[in-house]
This record gives sequence, C-alpha cells and structure tokens, in this order.
Amino acid sequence: DIQMTQSPSSLSASVGDRVTIPCRASQTIASYVNWYQQRPGKPPKVLIYAASNLQSGVPSRFSGSGSGTDFTLTISNLQPEDFATYYCQQTYNTPHTFGQGTKLEIK
Amino acid sequence: QVTLKESGPVLVKPTETLTLTCTVSGFSLTTARTGVSWIRQPPGKALEWLAHVFWDDEKSYTTSLKTRLTISKDTSRSQVVLRLTNMDPVDTATYYCARLLIYDKGGYYLPYFDSWGQGTLVTVSS
Repeated sequence: DIQMTQSPSSLSASVGDRVTIPCRASQTIASYVNWYQQRPGKPPKVLIYAASNLQSGVPSRFSGSGSGTDFTLTISNLQPEDFATYYCQQTYNTPHTFGQGTKLEIK
Repeated sequence: QVTLKESGPVLVKPTETLTLTCTVSGFSLTTARTGVSWIRQPPGKALEWLAHVFWDDEKSYTTSLKTRLTISKDTSRSQVVLRLTNMDPVDTATYYCARLLIYDKGGYYLPYFDSWGQGTLVTVSS
C-alpha cells in the first residue's frame, strides 16, 4: 500500500498569512493526489484534484503543486474559515490512502 | 444537485455485522467514470478509505479489512451497500460515502471525491 505522510500534524498561522502544507508519498504517484478540507463535525470537502486542479467553487487562494512523491497545498491570504484540517489522498492505486492530516490553527 | 445519504444502525454489538446504505440522488450509479466509495473516521482520527464500486461494477477494498468487507450496488434503488463483518470496538467511527469522479487528463484517469454524505456515527459496544 502507498503511504501518504503529512508533517507537521499541526501548524499555526494568522489571518492574512500564506501557508504551505506538505504531503509525501511512499512511492512515485505522478499527479494522483487530491486535497480535502475538513471542518469540525463536517464531512471533508475537495479543494484540489489531480495535484493542481482547483475544484469548482473553491476560492482561488487555494492552490496545489507537485508531482512524483512530493506535493504541496498552498493557501494565500488566510481567512478565518480556512482554519481546519487538511488531508491529502492518493488515487494512483487502491487502497486510496489518505495522509494523517494537518490541522491549521490560529496563532 | 448531487446528494449522498448514509443510513444504518448507530449501535452494534461486537461480532455483529454492520450493514450501511448510501442512497444517492442527482446522478446515476451507471454513469460512466463515476463510482461510490466508503470512508470512515474514528473519533478524533484521520480518514480511512474502505472500498469503492464503479459504474461498471469494478470493486476494490482496503487491504487490512479485505476479508471482512463487501460492497455492492443496487442501481434501480440508487443505493450502495457496505457490509462489515465481525465488528469490534475499534471499528467505532463515522462512516461516510462519497461520489468518485474520474478526471480525464489526456488519457490518464485520475479519481477524486467530489461530493460526500454527512456521515453516520456507528458505535460498537456490548
């Protein structure tokens, strides 16, 4: 199975900051990475699919990059509603594993 | 509008079999390049992918639970059913179903979840 590693498990930032959230795959997976945001008590919501494609309706301050084994979710100009947990997921092959999540907290 | 809704028991006893139903609307389970997956999340923990079934009835299961899981679909009822046998307290989690879409990037097919149900919390306890 492909392991997805998200480190750090949490990070602190302030409104207006630019943050990057990394994710590393245990083997090369081309662009088969998706990013989800989850707020407490809610289901996840897709932000980025296929590494860099912005899901319709998602603000343009979210962007994704990377290929192979290293991927990044970038949030520019953080807004209060962006403080949540972010998960990467690989769909290169099954099982479609998720990372352990990065919790973005207010500094 | 695409919607998915999970239903099933909120409490099961150890060794029992869990049966969950995902009822979908706004799309068909026979539409090409779509599928439905089940994902679970223990309280305070990360997401865990469990299984999927595609429009052509292709199925796949997570490695660690392969012997206990069964996924099936009933296209006439727009439902996807997940069965997990021999339940244990460690299976306590919120169970989600999600629609799986395939993004065609020049002949490469990249799946992702574009819509999720609200989830259903299942507790395993005697």
